[in-house]
Amino acid sequence: GQQVMQIPQYQHVQEGEDFTTYCNSSTTLSNIQWYKQRPGGHPVFLIQLVKSGEVKKQKRLTFQFGEAKKNSSLHITATQTTDVGTYFCAEPYNFNKFYFGSGTKLNVKP
Amino acid sequence: NAGVTQTPKFQVLKTGQSMTLQCAQDMNHEYMSWYRQDPGMGLRLIHYSVGAGITDQGEVPNGYNVSRSTTEDFPLRLLSAAPSQTSVYFCASSYSARGELFFGEGSRLTVL
Repeated sequence: GQQVMQIPQYQHVQEGEDFTTYCNSSTTLSNIQWYKQRPGGHPVFLIQLVKSGEVKKQKRLTFQFGEAKKNSSLHITATQTTDVGTYFCAEPYNFNKFYFGSGTKLNVKP
Repeated sequence: NAGVTQTPKFQVLKTGQSMTLQCAQDMNHEYMSWYRQDPGMGLRLIHYSVGAGITDQGEVPNGYNVSRSTTEDFPLRLLSAAPSQTSVYFCASSYSARGELFFGEGSRLTVL
């Protein structure tokens, strides 16, 4: 089955710095979703990307889907302490089956 | 709306014991699934269901059993608990096969 590789595993930034996490697949993805999980919490859906080359923005968050639909990224501009958590990409590969990336844990120092 | 409700939130079992993790959703979603989350490994699919009466295996189904008698409920049964099943379990539902997942708050299970 398809799997997505996510990097980096951890990222420590100073508040105000930018942050990026990447997901890569060896096969073409039908779509990709991004989730955020706060410490001790549950994953919460952020966005879904479907089209080749798609770029979507949510305030300070920018999501991109690669032209070949094999990679995706989430970029946060000027991080805040409220951005702390683990960010996951997820690929729906069959019916309701999802592969999740291993996640990038973001820590923001005030 | 309560969304997806999981019980219990915490559970400690001894090796060999059995138990059921409960999951209920009030959004009339056809699709429901169970994931386990272990440090550094993301979420892995255990079992999923595309509607009442229909279930199938995910990546890591061994040692777990599911059934879906109603649209609302999707319990996960541990048949004979093992320390390797110590994990955080999340139930999720969605309105379409590839749509966004709505997660419950999780059940933290420790098997001694």
